[in-house]
Amino acid sequence: QSVLTQPPSVSAAPGQKVTISCSGSSSNIGNNYVSWYQQLPGTAPKLLIYEDNKRPSGIPDRFSGSRSGTSATLGITGLQTGDEADYYCGTWDSSLSAGGFGGGTKLTVL
Amino acid sequence: QVQLQESGPGLVKPSETLSLTCGVSGYSISSGYYWGWIRQPPGKGLEWIGSIYHSGSTYYNPSLKSRVTISVDTSKNQFSLELSSVTAADTAVYYCARGVTMVRGVDYWGQGTLVTVSS
Repeated sequence: QSVLTQPPSVSAAPGQKVTISCSGSSSNIGNNYVSWYQQLPGTAPKLLIYEDNKRPSGIPDRFSGSRSGTSATLGITGLQTGDEADYYCGTWDSSLSAGGFGGGTKLTVL
Repeated sequence: QVQLQESGPGLVKPSETLSLTCGVSGYSISSGYYWGWIRQPPGKGLEWIGSIYHSGSTYYNPSLKSRVTISVDTSKNQFSLELSSVTAADTAVYYCARGVTMVRGVDYWGQGTLVTVSS
């Protein structure tokens, strides 16, 4: 069982916007930064968002993140077929003294 | 450019110990960050295993803690994972990575190595 809860799948048409939710608790998302990862088939995950809403160099501003209370959200605008991937949220859990990930969300660009 | 590379056996027998090493180039482990391991069973999501600082300070996933040991060798700029008493449920792609305490996200990942537990 994952520490964080994500929807198994989301879908949208090319050019549209999609959001992916990540739900946790006060011991993790409620008091720690959230990061987001994109995993293309057969590759290692790639950091998309860190510290809730910051983008590493090279990540386009089509990707955005936010956190409120015990939930976080990844937003992707101007969807492209190349965005089809699995997306994971991650954070630290202060009660467990361990990191944790959501179960992952498969994005389909119709 | 920071690079991480996992190495170790791709096949381990049930009840034995899985051992992997992660070699780091382009950055000195002694300079900072927590380093660690994340795994992904075939077709499933990511599971956080544990982390280590160059001082030797560690954090482990509570569900694996009794079987996991992560160690660091700063002279070789590498860190290692040992997982004892493995079963088929430990079959996964194992990734080594930097920043695994998530403070600024896990920013560098190895390519991953598939470890299969089978007799």
